[in-house]
Amino acid sequence: NAGVTQTPKFQVLKTGQSMTLQCAQDMNHNSMYWYRQDPGMGLRLIYYSASEGTTDKGEVPNGYNVSRLNKREFSLRLESAAPSQTSVYFCASRYPLGNEQFFGPGTRLTVL
Amino acid sequence: LAKTTQPISMDSYEGQEVNITCSHNNIATNDYITWYQQFPSQGPRFIIQGYKTKVTNEVASLFIPADRKSSTLSLPRVSLSDTAVYYCLVAGSGAGSYQLTFGKGTKLSVIP
Repeated sequence: NAGVTQTPKFQVLKTGQSMTLQCAQDMNHNSMYWYRQDPGMGLRLIYYSASEGTTDKGEVPNGYNVSRLNKREFSLRLESAAPSQTSVYFCASRYPLGNEQFFGPGTRLTVL
Repeated sequence: LAKTTQPISMDSYEGQEVNITCSHNNIATNDYITWYQQFPSQGPRFIIQGYKTKVTNEVASLFIPADRKSSTLSLPRVSLSDTAVYYCLVAGSGAGSYQLTFGKGTKLSVIP
């Protein structure tokens, strides 16, 4: 099992450009999450999806959109990137019981 | 979501037992206490979860007093590879509890 995979690993954008971060999990989990982590900070929840077909805002949703394409895939889109969105983005999926989340390797995004 | 307070950093020598305490005064009846570990440039990794008293696994022990307003993560005989940031989280673990709030965590530095 690959667990949680994310693409790309690194990305540099110019202000105003758009892009989609991809995430997939092969553990048959219902819940999936997108976080961002700024230097020296903890993770902040952007959006989450409790199940296929549903999405909800987290702590910092502004400037982002998400799509739960199917049970495996959960994508995060930046429509018009801003320097404030420079961060490391982590996708995670959650074991059905308890609070054990499995994280992907992250995408390091720089917006110039 | 219950707020947690934990030390910003700790130092320990190799081979010592390390105890990291987390305060969560407004923990709710249905909340569980969960600890994660994060190495640089990686996503967080689940360590342990508990509701009350003591929980032990192959990696750590979690001590929770009767009032549940605090908890202590205990790492036995740490090695250099235990240098990481440790996060304490409090959240419900039922079907409707999807959000985890990661604070800044405790940066543990293990010294040779």
